Formats: sequence, structure tokens, C-alpha cells
Amino acid sequence: ETGVTQTPRHLVMGMTNKKSLKCEQHLGHNAMYWYKQSAKKPLELMFVYSLEERVENNSVPSRFSPECPNSSHLFLHLHTLQPEDSALYLCASSQGDREGGYEQYFGPGTRLTVT
Amino acid sequence: GQNIDQPTEMTATEGAIVQINCTYQTSGFNGLFWYQQHAGEAPTFLSYNVLDGLEEKGRFSSFLSRSKGYSYLLLKELQMKDSASYLCAASDSNYQLIWGAGTKLIIKP
Repeated sequence: ETGVTQTPRHLVMGMTNKKSLKCEQHLGHNAMYWYKQSAKKPLELMFVYSLEERVENNSVPSRFSPECPNSSHLFLHLHTLQPEDSALYLCASSQGDREGGYEQYFGPGTRLTVT
Repeated sequence: GQNIDQPTEMTATEGAIVQINCTYQTSGFNGLFWYQQHAGEAPTFLSYNVLDGLEEKGRFSSFLSRSKGYSYLLLKELQMKDSASYLCAASDSNYQLIWGAGTKLIIKP
């Protein structure tokens, strides 16, 4: 149990669908992250929220829309995705985003398949 | 540009020692992390180095040389459960993690 949960664990969606990924952390952290993990590629940071404010958006296509209603919850809203968006989407949290040495705690991920 | 290099795959024998190397190039540097990721599971934190030298934590040790942009993870007394991917990540000047693609470690009996 890492203290970070994600739902759903698996998701298959068509290119015209709209779905949302949910992440919840039970660790009292104040920073949360969305990553994309594709096979044999480095983790790609998508979004960072610190104290519920977005501090990073690494040129992610607008078909991915994050939402952070409070410091414990993070959503990733998906619409009109492409097949190349199929990947493992990982959520993580940490005590801080601007101080070195704070390890990130990851959720189990959502395996997304776009058909 | 920012870059992390680590071997794609390594094989070792149960009970032996293995060293996984990582070289990094980042804009600024605020430390080096190692994570372990079993297939189908979340990455879990193993170690953090920000000063030069060796940090030992049980069977696992991590080394950092800032002048060389180099780190390694040393795993001793290998067990079958150590079969996993090992991810190297460097923290840049903005404290963002730059990740390597991971090293898949295969342990054979």
C-alpha cells in the first residue's frame, strides 16, 4: 500500500469518448503529478500541482485536461484521444515540489487503451 | 538538452552482485533518485543522493559523482524478487525529475 490510489486500473475507450482518471493520496502531501509511461520510454511528466495550483504543463495536448479540487485529489479528463495516447498513466504525490530530496510516491497506474 | 542514460537490460545470478549505471546531463542538479518498478506495479523509491559518495541501505547502495554526472545502484546478495526495472531520475534546477527509460534486471537461479 503506497498511500496513493488510482481508478480505474484499466480503461478501454474509443477516440470519441470522454472519460476521467482519478487519483487520491492519503499521505498529507501538498504536490501531485500526472505521468505518462510508454513501453521502453522514460516517464513523461504531464502536469504538476502544488498546493492545488498547476505549476507545470509540459506541452501536453489539450485533449488531456487536469483538475485538482483539493490537495488530496487529482483528476485527468480525457476526450477525443488518439491511439498513440495508449499508455500507463501514473499519479504521484510528494511533500513538496520545490525542495530537493522529496521522493515521489506513485499510485498503481491506469492502463489506458484507445481504440 | 537534458538526458539520462542507463542500460536497457541486465542479467545476473541469484546471490551475486550487480551494478546498474546511470549518467545524466541536466540544467542544474538537485539530486539523483533511484526507483524500483516491478512489472505491472507502481515505481517505489529506493534512494536519493545529492552529495558525492556512497549511500548504503541494506542490500542496496547508491553512489553519486557530481563532477562526472554519474551514479550507480549496487544490489548485493541478489534475490529472485529483485527482478524488476530500475529507474534513474535526476532533479534539475527547477526540481523537476528527468527520468531514464529504466534498466530491466533479470535474475536467474
